[in-house]
Amino acid sequence: EPEVTQTPSHQVTQMGQEVILRCVPISNHLYFYWYRQILGQKVEFLVSFYNNEISEKSEIFDDQFSVERPDGSNFTLKIRSTKLEDSAMYFCASSVDRASTDTQYFGPGTRLTVL
Amino acid sequence: GQSLEQPSEVTAVEGAIVQINCTYQTSGFYGLSWYQQHDGGAPTFLSYNALDGLEETGRFSSFLSRSDSYGYLLLQELQMKDSASYFCAVSGGGHQKVTFGTGTKLQVIP
Repeated sequence: EPEVTQTPSHQVTQMGQEVILRCVPISNHLYFYWYRQILGQKVEFLVSFYNNEISEKSEIFDDQFSVERPDGSNFTLKIRSTKLEDSAMYFCASSVDRASTDTQYFGPGTRLTVL
Repeated sequence: GQSLEQPSEVTAVEGAIVQINCTYQTSGFYGLSWYQQHDGGAPTFLSYNALDGLEETGRFSSFLSRSDSYGYLLLQELQMKDSASYFCAVSGGGHQKVTFGTGTKLQVIP
C-alpha cells in the first residue's frame, strides 16, 4: 500500500540554524500539508499546498517557514532560523482531493529538537 | 476561527463500547473527521462525516449533527490495541485547512 514517507525521522539542531524537513507524498496525490505536534498536545495545521503554491496557512506559519516542491516527488518544509519553541513532531500529509472532502494520509513524522 | 472540545481522557473495559464526543465551533464547515494516534505514531484516518447521521466502518462508527455542532466516535468490541488518542478534526474556514481537537486519550483495561 502506498504511503507518505518523511526524512529524517529525528533532527537535532542548534537554535538559529536552518532545517529542511523532507516528505515524499503518495504519488497520485495532489494536495500536500504540513502539521506540527508539540509533545503531549494536539496536531496543529501549518500549511497546505496545491498546484505548486500555498493554498492556506495558519498563524504559526510565519516568515521563518517556507515550503517547496522542488521536483515531482519531494515536498519540503524549511525553517530558516529555528527557535527552541519549534521543537515538535512535524507531520507531512497528502490527499487526492481537497481536505474538505477527502482523507489525508499522514507520514510517520520528523521529530525536531532545537537546542 | 475554529475550536473543538473533546474529553481529555476516557477509560473503558475490553469488549465494551465507548463513545467519544466532540463539539465544535467553526467559521465554515465542510465535515468532521476522526483520527487515531498511538503514542509516538502518526495520525491515522478513521472516518469522515459531511452530512448528518451515522457512518459505520467495522467496529468504528461516527455520528454528526450539524445543527448541534456535535459529533461522536463510537468504538465497539473494544480491544487492547484500541488504546490510543483520538482526535476529531473539522475541515472549515477553507477547503485546504483541517483543525484538530485537543484529543481524547482512551485507555482500554482488561
